[in-house]
Amino acid sequence: EAEVAQSPRYKITEKSQAVAFWCDPISGHATLYWYRQILGQGPELLVQFQDESVVDDSQLPKDRFSAERLKGVDSTLKIQPAELGDSAMYLCASSSTDATNEKLFFGSGTQLSVL
Amino acid sequence: SQKIEQNSEALNIQEGKTATLTCNYTNYSPAYLQWYRQDPGRGPVFLLLIRENEKEKRKERLKVTFDTTLKQSLFHITASQPADSATYLCALHYGNKLVFGAGTILRVKS
Repeated sequence: EAEVAQSPRYKITEKSQAVAFWCDPISGHATLYWYRQILGQGPELLVQFQDESVVDDSQLPKDRFSAERLKGVDSTLKIQPAELGDSAMYLCASSSTDATNEKLFFGSGTQLSVL
Repeated sequence: SQKIEQNSEALNIQEGKTATLTCNYTNYSPAYLQWYRQDPGRGPVFLLLIRENEKEKRKERLKVTFDTTLKQSLFHITASQPADSATYLCALHYGNKLVFGAGTILRVKS
């Protein structure tokens, strides 16, 4: 069964350093999402792409976070500089259409620890 | 303000019993609602979707109800098994995105 691929699985960094996460969605899925999940909380949407275009980035802290999906396939989420409060699980998800009537397929996530 | 509330405490039940998890929401009018399962250190996995014009949806041992008057969804697992132990998340359609609750931890003891 097709899966959403994410790497790295774990990332430990020091504050003020730059980090990057990669996601490869299920083939043919036009919509890609980046969520952040803090321990004990539900996933929070950071950014949503439709093909290569950003549909929603209202919750993305744009002073330090950036996301791109240049060819409308895989995507990279970057944090620079990382802060202690950025420690969380970063989840990528994809769907064949937008979230209005489609289930999301999630990757296994990247667990980020900022020291 | 908008809120999605799920049982804040873990639900502990005995194997074979029915588990019932609650999702309440305020200041939303979702067209549909989804339930996901999440195991520790893993991404959520889709279970069921129910639309506002549907009262009940079933899939094997799972059943979801959706009461738009009460602004509540109930998620039932019948004949629960230890393998059902996980966190269960409800998610509401809002605008063009899904908004997730914090989840309820379910522990099924043998």
